[in-house]
Amino acid sequence: SQKIEQNSEALNIQEGKTATLTCNYTNYSPAYLQWYRQDPGRGPVFLLLIRENEKEKRKERLKVTFDTTLKQSLFHITASQPADSATYLCALGEGGKLIFGQGTELSVKP
Amino acid sequence: SAVISQKPSRDICQRGTSLTIQCQVDSQVTMMFWYRQQPGQSLTLIATANQGSEATYESGFVIDKFPISRPNLTFSTLTVSNMSPEDSSIYLCSVDMGEGNEKLFFGSGTQLSVL
Repeated sequence: SQKIEQNSEALNIQEGKTATLTCNYTNYSPAYLQWYRQDPGRGPVFLLLIRENEKEKRKERLKVTFDTTLKQSLFHITASQPADSATYLCALGEGGKLIFGQGTELSVKP
Repeated sequence: SAVISQKPSRDICQRGTSLTIQCQVDSQVTMMFWYRQQPGQSLTLIATANQGSEATYESGFVIDKFPISRPNLTFSTLTVSNMSPEDSSIYLCSVDMGEGNEKLFFGSGTQLSVL
């Protein structure tokens, strides 16, 4: 069956450290993968897109990797801040549709 | 980018009633999407609404339960009909401003509770 799995448990880290979130998938062949941020009571906000032929993408303190062999994407936030605390969703782009993971809650403590 | 206004932001409804959710975009868009986000679950696509044609529903969602209107390129409504407690969820509209589904903008969502 098709699955998208993100860290089910909340990730708690100290301010200034690097947060690493994982997105694994099975039985999908995505053309691209996206990461979104969602704050409580708000809709998701687009952060980054990485295509199947790209290994890594960066945007300011954010870095995304995409390994189509491992069927995995890693999302890194360097020099994390309490304001980075939110739920982060990965989404696979396949067949013209976006399929979302359930999200990982990140909490950055000062 | 797009600014999406969605209302109501939340509502508490009685079993058996219907609720219509409105989604207004500040620019013209071809495709609008309606998602459902149940507690602790991922976003699930309900349907795609294109102006001038019938909405396309995903597996598990039917028009009688979730009728959608798309009267113009900036507006859409989703109705949740004959509600039951299982319909309690967050409903989100979104739009695609680029090619395909490459970048979605979301409204703030409607938190629906059915008693």
